[in-house]
Amino acid sequence: GEKVEQHESTLSVREGDSAVINCTYTDTASSYFPWYKQEAGKSLHFVIDIRSNVDRKQSQRLIVLLDKKAKRFSLHITATQPEDSAIYFCAATDSAGNKLTFGIGTRVLVRP
Amino acid sequence: GPKVLQIPSHQIIDMGQMVTLNCDPVSNHLYFYWYKQILGQQMEFLVNFYNGKVMEKSKLFKDQFSVERPDGSYFTLKIQPTALEDSAVYFCASSPHRGLGNTLYFGEGSRLIVV
Repeated sequence: GEKVEQHESTLSVREGDSAVINCTYTDTASSYFPWYKQEAGKSLHFVIDIRSNVDRKQSQRLIVLLDKKAKRFSLHITATQPEDSAIYFCAATDSAGNKLTFGIGTRVLVRP
Repeated sequence: GPKVLQIPSHQIIDMGQMVTLNCDPVSNHLYFYWYKQILGQQMEFLVNFYNGKVMEKSKLFKDQFSVERPDGSYFTLKIQPTALEDSAVYFCASSPHRGLGNTLYFGEGSRLIVV
């Protein structure tokens, strides 16, 4: 089955800098890659996604990149702000899209 | 935004006993999911559920596990009997539809400790 590896367990960045979280996956059939964010004491919520028919997507300060050849995708949080501090989870699923495989999560800390 | 509520938030139970974890999904959502996260490990898919039936389940969804949503009430995960390895945080999620681009809405999790 699919395996998703999330390479950074923690990231500490200065406010205003960028944070980059990298994930790799194993199943070439995976075609949808969402990212979820979990703030302290709250549930996971969706932040951004990318499908395999594109290699870049941006939503405000978030950019996701997808390299299908390398089976790698990444989340770039630009111009970080304190409210970006959270655990971020990458995930992958196949074309049916109903069974997400998650990474272990990356704790991002934005320092003032 | 839409919220998924999970009850209880945590429970300690003796091995061999039964436990029911309750999930109140987002109203008008039709698809429901359970994920399991053992401490320090990844959150893993257990099962998804639609129209009264299990659609898919993983190998983690043992015979001792069952799910149901009687009459549009709570979506429940029942474990009977519990084992030590069932200790984990169980996350419920719901979505309005299925397929690609399908956003899941998660609850805050139910922490189960089996002693």
